[in-house]
Amino acid sequence: NAGVTQTPKFRVLKTGQSMTLLCAQDMNHEYMYWYRQDPGMGLRLIHYSVGEGTTAKGEVPDGYNVSRLKKQNFLLGLESAAPSQTSVYFCASSYTGNQPQHFGDGTRLSIL
Amino acid sequence: AQSVTQLGSHVSVSEGALVLLRCNYSSSVPPYLFWYVQYPNQGLQLLLKYTTGATLVKGINGFEAEFKKSETSFHLTKPSAHMSDAAEYFCAVTNNNAGNMLTFGGGTRLMVKP
Repeated sequence: NAGVTQTPKFRVLKTGQSMTLLCAQDMNHEYMYWYRQDPGMGLRLIHYSVGEGTTAKGEVPDGYNVSRLKKQNFLLGLESAAPSQTSVYFCASSYTGNQPQHFGDGTRLSIL
Repeated sequence: AQSVTQLGSHVSVSEGALVLLRCNYSSSVPPYLFWYVQYPNQGLQLLLKYTTGATLVKGINGFEAEFKKSETSFHLTKPSAHMSDAAEYFCAVTNNNAGNMLTFGGGTRLMVKP
């Protein structure tokens, strides 16, 4: 039972490059989330989705875009990476907004 | 509006000692409360949750938490710390509105000394 799977696990980018982080869940959850985690700042919500075809901004959306074309997948894109986006990114999913979220193992992204 | 405050970003205990991690919440409606644990290089895992009913909630790995409405608190405890408990712990709040998402606290890093 895979749960929430994030790819890749690690990535190094140069400033200005673009990339997409993939998140897949096999629990038929409606809600999906992207967070970033930085030292001393806890988890910050970037974007989220309440169902297939929907997306919404979270606390720190600038510089990121997302898409939810299929219910099981939630993609996070960086169009032009900046050093400030160096972080660990977590994807999560849940049945509804107020149910426990299930987390992936994270993607460590470094931008030089 | 809802919010969570975790007192103490770092807590250090000796192996075998009591673990107490503090969480206070703010919510305009009856809350649902959660504790998560994050081990190094992993995602968050659910430890326990409170929605309704019994205010003392037992979770995995010997942890428990008590919902105290009068104190707006949901502190996490474990009678005897083990080295494997060293991790970061997050408290989160929501409510019975299915569309209301979790709000996380800033986290508390627990260190366990031999």
